[in-house]
Amino acid sequence: DSGVTQTPKHLITATGQRVTLRCSPRSGDLSVYWYQQSLDQGLQFLIQYYNGEERAKGNILERFSAQQFPDLHSELNLSSLELGDSALYFCASSVDGSTNEKLFFGSGTQLSVL
Amino acid sequence: QKEVEQDPGPLSVPEGAIVSLNCTYSNSAFQYFMWYRQYSRKGPELLMYTYSSGNKEDGRFTAQVDKSSKYISLFIRDSQPSDSATYLCAMSGNQGGKLIFGQGTELSVKP
Repeated sequence: DSGVTQTPKHLITATGQRVTLRCSPRSGDLSVYWYQQSLDQGLQFLIQYYNGEERAKGNILERFSAQQFPDLHSELNLSSLELGDSALYFCASSVDGSTNEKLFFGSGTQLSVL
Repeated sequence: QKEVEQDPGPLSVPEGAIVSLNCTYSNSAFQYFMWYRQYSRKGPELLMYTYSSGNKEDGRFTAQVDKSSKYISLFIRDSQPSDSATYLCAMSGNQGGKLIFGQGTELSVKP
């Protein structure tokens, strides 16, 4: 167990809908990362937060947004969902988000858009 | 061209074999190199972590980094069926904490 908690484990929804994925980092970790994993694209970095502030942005669509709350948990919001958004979404955390840090991943949320 | 290239496999070996997995990369700014193991439908877990060039050994696992060739390897000795998983290389440099992952190589170790 990595100590990173993600909910829900599975999510099935329809095109055009909006969903929220939740992540609680390991105790003591201040930085949270979101990754998307699909068969054709592999593990793609979406966005990173450190202590409530956005620190780095990757290949995140404008329809997607995230935030990190004062208690350090994070939410990833996906809106106007399309079939191609179906993927595994992982959250990871690290102590302070430095370049050389090790990331610890949660078990992921499997999103299916029908 | 992707920043990190990794052969997706699948790779199938008999139990006890030595497994060699590798990645190439194009960004010379990468300094931190990692290998993650991912079991089916689970989150990646950190297996090996190295900084710059050189070798690192941990039990049956050895990680090698050759920065001059932009090439990293993971060797698994005396492979076990429990090693069957997808192995992802990952690396970072000066882009904040974000890791760039390879596509992952699916490994199957047959009893």
